[in-house]
Amino acid sequence: DAGITQSPRYKITETGRQVTLMCHQTWSHSYMFWYRQDLGHGLRLIYYSAAADITDKGEVPDGYVVSRSKTENFPLTLESATRSQTSVYFCASKRGQVTDTQYFGPGTRLTVL
Amino acid sequence: GNSVTQMEGPVTLSEEAFLTINCTYTATGYPSLFWYVQYPGEGLQLLLKATKADDKGSNKGFEATYRKETTSFHLEKGSVQVSDSAVYFCALSLNTGTASKLTFGTGTRLQVTL
Repeated sequence: DAGITQSPRYKITETGRQVTLMCHQTWSHSYMFWYRQDLGHGLRLIYYSAAADITDKGEVPDGYVVSRSKTENFPLTLESATRSQTSVYFCASKRGQVTDTQYFGPGTRLTVL
Repeated sequence: GNSVTQMEGPVTLSEEAFLTINCTYTATGYPSLFWYVQYPGEGLQLLLKATKADDKGSNKGFEATYRKETTSFHLEKGSVQVSDSAVYFCALSLNTGTASKLTFGTGTRLQVTL
C-alpha cells in the first residue's frame, strides 16, 4: 500500500543495546524527518534529510544516528540506548516546498529498561 | 529562534459546544502555519494550513485565520463532536536554506463528552 510506514510499532530494549527504527515511504518525497514525542514537549525534531545521502541534525540529535542511502528509506539508530530515549518516535515525509504537507507514519513506541 | 505556544490542555467540552484553541508564534520571516491532529494511537495528520497573512484554512468544520498583526493562528469549530476528541498541534514552517522544518507547539488535548 502507498504511504509511510514504520517498523516495529512497539519495541522494548535494555540500556546499552543498539536499536534501529525503520521508516519507509512510497511517494518518493524528497524530505524525511524523525521526531520524538514526549509529554510536555510536543514533537521535537531529531534528524532530517533533504534527499538521499543528505542528512542534518535537528533539535535533539544526541545519541541518534541516521542514514539515507535510498530515497524511500530513512532508518534511525540508537547506538547505545538510554532510559531517556524511551519515547514515541514518528517518521514523516514531504515534497520540497515549505508549504507542502508533512505526512506522518503511525509511530514506534520504544521503551528502554 | 522560532517557537509556537499553545494553550494548555486538556480542554473538556460538551458535544455541540464552541471550540477555540489558541496558538501564537514567534518567527523570523514569514512562516506557513499548520494545525495537525493526532487521534489516539495514531500519527499526526494535517487538519488545515495557511501560507500567508489573512489566509483562512478550513477543513471538517475547523477554521483558523493567519493573523500577522497578532502572530496568531487560533483554531475554532462551531460545534464539536465526540469524534473530535484528539490532541491538536499548532506548527509553523519557514524556508531556511535547504530545510523546511516544522516547529510544533506542545499540543492541546481536547475531550468532548456527550
